[in-house]
Amino acid sequence: QVQLVESGGGVVQPGRSLRLSCAVSGFTFSNYAMYWVRQAPGKGLEWVAHLSYDGNNQHYGDSVKGRFTISRDTSKNTLYLQMNSLRTDDTAVYYCARNNGAGGWLDPWGQGTLVTVSS
Amino acid sequence: QSALTQPRSVSGSPGQSVTISCTGTSSDVGGYSYVSWYQQYPGKAPKVKIYDVSKRPSGVPDRFSGSKSGNTASLTISGLQAEDEADYYCCSYAGSYTWVFGGGTKLTVL
Repeated sequence: QVQLVESGGGVVQPGRSLRLSCAVSGFTFSNYAMYWVRQAPGKGLEWVAHLSYDGNNQHYGDSVKGRFTISRDTSKNTLYLQMNSLRTDDTAVYYCARNNGAGGWLDPWGQGTLVTVSS
Repeated sequence: QSALTQPRSVSGSPGQSVTISCTGTSSDVGGYSYVSWYQQYPGKAPKVKIYDVSKRPSGVPDRFSGSKSGNTASLTISGLQAEDEADYYCCSYAGSYTWVFGGGTKLTVL
């Protein structure tokens, strides 16, 4: 079955970097666009990044543009989110999700990984 | 990329219907037929209930329905059940490969 499993979260100091991974299985990874979405503690969902199905185009939310990079390794069936210059307001559970359809709807989602930015 | 506006909370009794609104602008909700709705239980990942404004993925009961008028999309849950108690989020395509979520609505089944 289709499965997405995030990893790489943890506690990091402001200004430092962290890389999240999302291991996918059960579908042809190279055929699908992918997303990262985050949720700060007690808050709502925020779209973070989108990677096109061919891996050639990346798009970002305003709050992370210039600091975060979405990428993938199809040989490892893994999606990544490189997060640089982390700020305290980046603290959140980060979910990866698969795109479906032209307008983009997210299904399925991974279980999420918690990133805490704190000194 | 301003968040879409949803009511903070709604409630209903078992068997009743509830509607959750999601208001955006002509640049997102009003400009595209790409609104989706997600259900999230505490501590769990979201799950899609509606996509492309009014379509249901396989396995989602027809008690869930979606619609849109102008810049406002709506999710209606009929025949309310205890298991429907959760947080609900709308999401809209906003052009140029960007998406925006609503602030979320907590549904309480009385």
